[in-house]
Amino acid sequence: ETAVFQTPNYHVTQVGNEVSFNCKQTLGHDTMYWYKQDSKKLLKIMFSYNNKQLIVNETVPRRFSPQSSDKAHLNLRIKSVEPEDSAVYLCASSQDWVSYEQYFGPGTRLTVL
Amino acid sequence: QQKVQQSPESLSVPEGGMASFNCTSSDRNFQYFWWYRQHSGEGPKALMSIFSDGDKKEGRFTAHLNKASLHVSLHIRDSQPSDSALYFCAARMNYGGSGNKLIFGTGTLLSVKP
Repeated sequence: ETAVFQTPNYHVTQVGNEVSFNCKQTLGHDTMYWYKQDSKKLLKIMFSYNNKQLIVNETVPRRFSPQSSDKAHLNLRIKSVEPEDSAVYLCASSQDWVSYEQYFGPGTRLTVL
Repeated sequence: QQKVQQSPESLSVPEGGMASFNCTSSDRNFQYFWWYRQHSGEGPKALMSIFSDGDKKEGRFTAHLNKASLHVSLHIRDSQPSDSALYFCAARMNYGGSGNKLIFGTGTLLSVKP
């Protein structure tokens, strides 16, 4: 099956803890993205990688850091989570940096207590 | 701040009816538009794109773009309960520096009643 896969589906943690989310795409795409979808369902891009190279880094707190081992994997680490980090984190990929269509994973729902 | 506004926030139509969504961008550099649909518990999925002025039809879906007024719309005819979802308009800049950075609209929640 070719798609964008994310783990875990859900994660509940306490303020100050560190969390990591994984994303893998089997579509053979060169570009991957992380989005944050808040409680109002607003979608905002956080990071974008093209062939393991960071190309978009929106204004996000420094506790967020993306990690790419190869072009099929893009993980997201959050050091010392805050309550406002509670959201759904969506991973996406596209054929390349100028391709128009993005393919999304099912998301990881983070709840910070 | 780049913004893409959608209306209405929510919409309820009977099965078989027409659903219409509107999207307005605030920046004339937005030249390329996508409509995405997100079912509950899933990630968004691209429905269709529109890059030129006028109408584009794909099955039950018709998109309309007016670049002069920065307005794009989506119409679903013969709406089905399976169309119940959150619909996003997404806009992309027309200059290479932004690459494939999409700005998503505020979303419209569609409910199709059997």
